[in-house]
Amino acid sequence: QLQLQESGPGLVKPSETLSLTCTVSGGSISSSSYHWVWIRQPPGKGLEWIGYIHYTGNTYYNPSLKSRVTISVDTSKNQFSLKLTSVTAADTAVYYCARYATPTAVFDYWGQGALVTVSS
Amino acid sequence: QSALTQPASVSGSPGQSITISCTGTSSDVGSYNLVSWYQHYPGKAPKFMIYEVTKRPSGVSDRFSGSKSGNTASLTISGLQAEDEADYYCCSYAGSNTWVFGGGTKLTVL
Repeated sequence: QLQLQESGPGLVKPSETLSLTCTVSGGSISSSSYHWVWIRQPPGKGLEWIGYIHYTGNTYYNPSLKSRVTISVDTSKNQFSLKLTSVTAADTAVYYCARYATPTAVFDYWGQGALVTVSS
Repeated sequence: QSALTQPASVSGSPGQSITISCTGTSSDVGSYNLVSWYQHYPGKAPKFMIYEVTKRPSGVSDRFSGSKSGNTASLTISGLQAEDEADYYCCSYAGSNTWVFGGGTKLTVL
């Protein structure tokens, strides 16, 4: 059974960089059929797709976040990561990592989520 | 790229049917049959219930069904059960390898 687990600091100061890592277990990140995704949910709000990466390194980002987001992959560790620069309180959210399955066009496996608070 | 529009809340009694709408635009829902629905219990990982507008993955009850007309997709849950009480999100492909979610709907089983 595939499992994803987010990790990283739960508190980030305004203007600094938010960094999270997702560790994938129970399956290989190096599969051509999947992309690896970051999605977030601000408190009391809906889900927002941040972006995804293929193991080959191809990345695609939400246009509204593109200037501040970088998603990278480390196939040797079966991990992928999110960096979001110049954060503000509006970036406070639960951040989920997930798998996007190309054949079915669905986010089929998700992590439990990690709350990141932006505050001084 | 704006969030898809869902009602903030819907409710129904056990055994009844409810429908949750998801309205987008001709650039997302209206252009692609790539709408999916997710069930989310607070504090848990979301679970996909419907993909490609109408398809149901194995293990998901046939009480859940999806449809689409124009720029609006819908999720119908028949024979409501207490365990269906959760938040539900729609999601659509929006072109150029981007995706957009709905604002979410809180389902209350009375």
